Amino acid sequence: QKEVEQNSGPLSVPEGAIASLNCTYSDRGSQSFFWYRQYSGKSPELIMFIYSNGDKEDGRFTAQLNKASQYVSLLIRDSQPSDSATYLCAVNPGPNTGFQKLVFGTGTRLLVSP
Amino acid sequence: EADIYQTPRYLVIGTGKKITLECSQTMGHDKMYWYQQDPGMELHLIHYSYGVNSTEKGDLSSESTVSRIRTEHFPLTLESARPSHTSQYLCASTQGGDSPLHFGNGTRLTVT
Repeated sequence: QKEVEQNSGPLSVPEGAIASLNCTYSDRGSQSFFWYRQYSGKSPELIMFIYSNGDKEDGRFTAQLNKASQYVSLLIRDSQPSDSATYLCAVNPGPNTGFQKLVFGTGTRLLVSP
Repeated sequence: EADIYQTPRYLVIGTGKKITLECSQTMGHDKMYWYQQDPGMELHLIHYSYGVNSTEKGDLSSESTVSRIRTEHFPLTLESARPSHTSQYLCASTQGGDSPLHFGNGTRLTVT
């Protein structure tokens, strides 16, 4: 079993819809969780991070964390064609000491059609 | 905007050559990383550094080596390149704590 699992997709949604991206992780002791967006041929860029159970909202993005079920999700409201990219889930399996030794999932490819 | 630079952006080189991939950041970050990513695959940590004169191997075994003589500079070296080293190499840095990981633009290496 991989440490961080994501559905590779592609996840296809129409413009304006809500895109829901999911991620599960195996290390129950993990404490910090990150979502990165990666356009084809580009490097990853941070979208959001979350440490506590519940929801965290930033503009059109909402990260949701459920440590008991070991999953973290990213919701994108009012999806735009420019949101089309691969979304990487990353987990820091160590204690939140400040040293981020992230483990990345393979990513979910999102396609937003006009 | 993160200030972390990688050179070269693309490199095509023959088997057996020695290569060094450069990574520099101007943010004064102590913590730096090298990740390797094959197309459509996840990022794998191959090296990291807590600060000057500190280097550690990551989770993915790699024949590359790194050095950290200056805070801003974290080069990666392959003594003898092989086709199996063909991949994208991503350098990253962070201030630590809640700060995000900033990635460079990457070096796409092809060994023929």
